Amino acid sequence: DAGITQSPRHKVTETGTPVTLRCHQTENHRYMYWYRQDPGHGLRLIHYSYGVKDTDKGEVSDGYSVSRSKTEDFLLTLESATSSQTSVYFCAISESGEDTQYFGPGTRLTVL
Amino acid sequence: EDQVTQSPEALRLQEGESSSLNCSYTVSGLRGLFWYRQDPGKGPEFLFTLYSAGEEKEKERLKATLTKKESFLHITAPKPEDSATYLCAVRNTGFQKLVFGTGTRLLVSP
Repeated sequence: DAGITQSPRHKVTETGTPVTLRCHQTENHRYMYWYRQDPGHGLRLIHYSYGVKDTDKGEVSDGYSVSRSKTEDFLLTLESATSSQTSVYFCAISESGEDTQYFGPGTRLTVL
Repeated sequence: EDQVTQSPEALRLQEGESSSLNCSYTVSGLRGLFWYRQDPGKGPEFLFTLYSAGEEKEKERLKATLTKKESFLHITAPKPEDSATYLCAVRNTGFQKLVFGTGTRLLVSP
């Protein structure tokens, strides 16, 4: 299994509070991704990173920000959580943009 | 716009009853079609990558094939442990991003 951990694994929070999810990898892969998974939708890309301090938006980036200060860590922040951000969040990694993406175990976030 | 459609949404099989899952796609220049398996409460697990029409890949009871418009995941003599959701995704020439289908939920009964 690819060395990817996500924390926390479960979180319940209230509308309007900030939330940060962490993805940590031990594979030294250059690319890291954040997806959300909702019923009736495929996995949808939120943001991705192609190197330290290099990030770009995905298709559902509104309300989310990311940071990557070290190769191994990619943080996803919800500045002010809303109920529409209740979802399961997955981190993925790949050696390059052309390579296979490997996924972490996910974080289930509930915004009340 | 790139699109991936998987069918059926759900499939129930008896142990040993072979079948196929379909992934239809439209993409501006295919740079890979990916199959993943996802168990409840877990992240997607990589199965196969296919790059060109006519390509086939096999792993145990699974065989993935690719044409210019669709991919099939054939499951031969499935076992209950093959029960999972199977996800299909495509990547096009312009981006390093994957577009996913909504998956097929497979249940194999003993």
